[in-house]
Amino acid sequence: AQSVSQHNHHVILSEAASLELGCNYSYGGTVNLFWYVQYPGQHLQLLLKYFSGDPLVKGIKGFEAEFIKSKFSFNLRKPSVQWSDTAEYFCAVNLLGGNTPLVFGKGTRLSVIA
Amino acid sequence: GAGVSQSPSNKVTEKGKDVELRCDPISGHTALYWYRQSLGQGLEFLIYFQGNSAPDKSGLPSDRFSAERTGGSVSTLTIQRTQQEDSAVYLCASSLHTGAYEQYFGPGTRLTVT
Repeated sequence: AQSVSQHNHHVILSEAASLELGCNYSYGGTVNLFWYVQYPGQHLQLLLKYFSGDPLVKGIKGFEAEFIKSKFSFNLRKPSVQWSDTAEYFCAVNLLGGNTPLVFGKGTRLSVIA
Repeated sequence: GAGVSQSPSNKVTEKGKDVELRCDPISGHTALYWYRQSLGQGLEFLIYFQGNSAPDKSGLPSDRFSAERTGGSVSTLTIQRTQQEDSAVYLCASSLHTGAYEQYFGPGTRLTVT
């Protein structure tokens, strides 16, 4: 069965610091990879996704993620965080080729302090 | 355009009662998913509908949980004889069928079983 691991439960950063959130998945086949964000009091929104092609994908609000197939990783990065990035971030995986359910990591809570 | 909508937004019920949660997917989306978000468990897949195919019920935690999708659009998740461990936020998502894998999430229904 697929599983997704997010290494950090809670990350606290100062504004303008760089961010990297780890995500590893366990599945030997071809997968689609996603990062979703949930701002306080809001519903889940897609930050970025990887299906194929360039392993460095750019998403909304200055976020990017790099797919490293050999490491089964899809880490999320942002060079300079803002207070408004305070949210919970979820990495998710599903199987390539179908509308299959997402398998989510347990999430990383990011707190950005001024 | 309109996103995924869910009702009610909040539901408080007594242990042992039945509840129905409703999801209206984005118009034209043929795939519909139910997930549960609870503390300590993250986001868990419950059930998935794709067009007229039989639903994938592999994530339902017990036979007290059931769901239906009428006319390929609106879906209802029913929990019978609710238990306190059913307390969670129930999320619905929808996606296009072919060539699109992004799932769009609704705001969720927060269920509290007292």
